[in-house]
Amino acid sequence: AQKITQTQPGMFVQEKEAVTLDCTYDTSDPSYGLFWYKQPSSGEMIFLIYQGSYDQQNATEGRYSLNFQKARKSANLVISASQLGDSAMYFCAMRAAGGTSYGKLTFGQGTILTVHP
Amino acid sequence: GAVVSQHPSWVICKSGTSVKIECRSLDFQATTMFWYRQFPKQSLMLMATSNEGSKATYEQGVEKDKFLINHASLTLSTLTVTSAHPEDSSFYICSADSGTNYYEQYFGPGTRLTVT
Repeated sequence: AQKITQTQPGMFVQEKEAVTLDCTYDTSDPSYGLFWYKQPSSGEMIFLIYQGSYDQQNATEGRYSLNFQKARKSANLVISASQLGDSAMYFCAMRAAGGTSYGKLTFGQGTILTVHP
Repeated sequence: GAVVSQHPSWVICKSGTSVKIECRSLDFQATTMFWYRQFPKQSLMLMATSNEGSKATYEQGVEKDKFLINHASLTLSTLTVTSAHPEDSSFYICSADSGTNYYEQYFGPGTRLTVT
């Protein structure tokens, strides 16, 4: 079974500063994908970044980077130069690449990020 | 880019009635669609996986007779909440898998259901 843990129910950051959102995972699958999604108050799920379990380099997408530490089973999201529009709920998720769980996304509990001006 | 729509975006219904929610992939064919349920300030919980032309696979604890899922075509999946009760009030989100890259899963905007 797969499990995603986000231990920060809420985080606060000052505008223009960087913030790290924590995510740890557990799986017995050798191949998997890790995702981060942003969910603003409107409810839509916005894809931010993806990291494959075999990727050697950490993924980056603009102001978002994923700090992937495979041995520690962690996949933290780093948002640089925070903006007021970054205030939202953030979910870490994992997707199995094979087996009976193929394709299914397992989500963490989420972290509510608030950016202060 | 790949777009998934949901209809309606919000619905209010009376207890005991049924409600149908549609999920459409607008510019790609979805081999698999997923239905999630989300309560306020909580995580998304997968309800079921549907593949075109076959029966949906429900997650443990999800009542298949209450949440009817039909994946009639490669662009349309429907979720029908039968005999809705106030505890069924929730945010329902679908996602669609194009099947080309396993990491590409596209989410619909969600449907907010309120049962009175």
